[in-house]
Amino acid sequence: EDQVTQSPEALRLQEGESSSLNCSYTVSGLRGLFWYRQDPGKGPEFLFTLYSAGEEKEKERLKATLTKKESFLHITAPKPEDSATYLCAVNNAGNMLTFGGGTRLMVKP
Amino acid sequence: DAGVTQSPTHLIKTRGQQVTLRCSPKSGHDTVSWYQQALGQGPQFIFQYYEEEERQRGNFPDRFSGHQFPNYSSELNVNALLLGDSALYLCASSNSPTDTQYFGPGTRLTVL
Repeated sequence: EDQVTQSPEALRLQEGESSSLNCSYTVSGLRGLFWYRQDPGKGPEFLFTLYSAGEEKEKERLKATLTKKESFLHITAPKPEDSATYLCAVNNAGNMLTFGGGTRLMVKP
Repeated sequence: DAGVTQSPTHLIKTRGQQVTLRCSPKSGHDTVSWYQQALGQGPQFIFQYYEEEERQRGNFPDRFSGHQFPNYSSELNVNALLLGDSALYLCASSNSPTDTQYFGPGTRLTVL
């Protein structure tokens, strides 16, 4: 059975304080690892897709990396508007997304 | 270009009732997937529709059923509602069953 575990569950940062979120996974036949951002009461917003170990993608203050067992979402010099829940998901050979529980990020000014 | 849309936004039902939720995919997308998200948890896959057929199903009982129409829009039906069905129901669409999924705003269902 596919499993995704995210840590930490919650993270408080000061504005400008860089950090990383972790996503550990076990999956049969990885067809992609996805990062989404979700604001309270809204649907997840797509950020990145990673397909193979060693791959990296960047968008503004966010950078996602992938190894064979985990992915990291690095946040550089975060701002209060980066506060949200960040979700990691894997797409297996059956084409269904399995999500982790998310990391709730709070950035204080 | 309109993204994924869902209706209604909120819904309140009582135990034992039935509910229908609707989803219109992003323009150009032909695949629709449905997810249930309980408060404080990640979304859980319910099922996926492609070419008007259910292609993949998660670990949900038969009370959860769906349909996809020729214009690719989709419905999620839940029968015999339980208190535990209270959640945010998310619809996601994609270019194909294997492509990146884009989510709608969700329907908040409350069962009393």
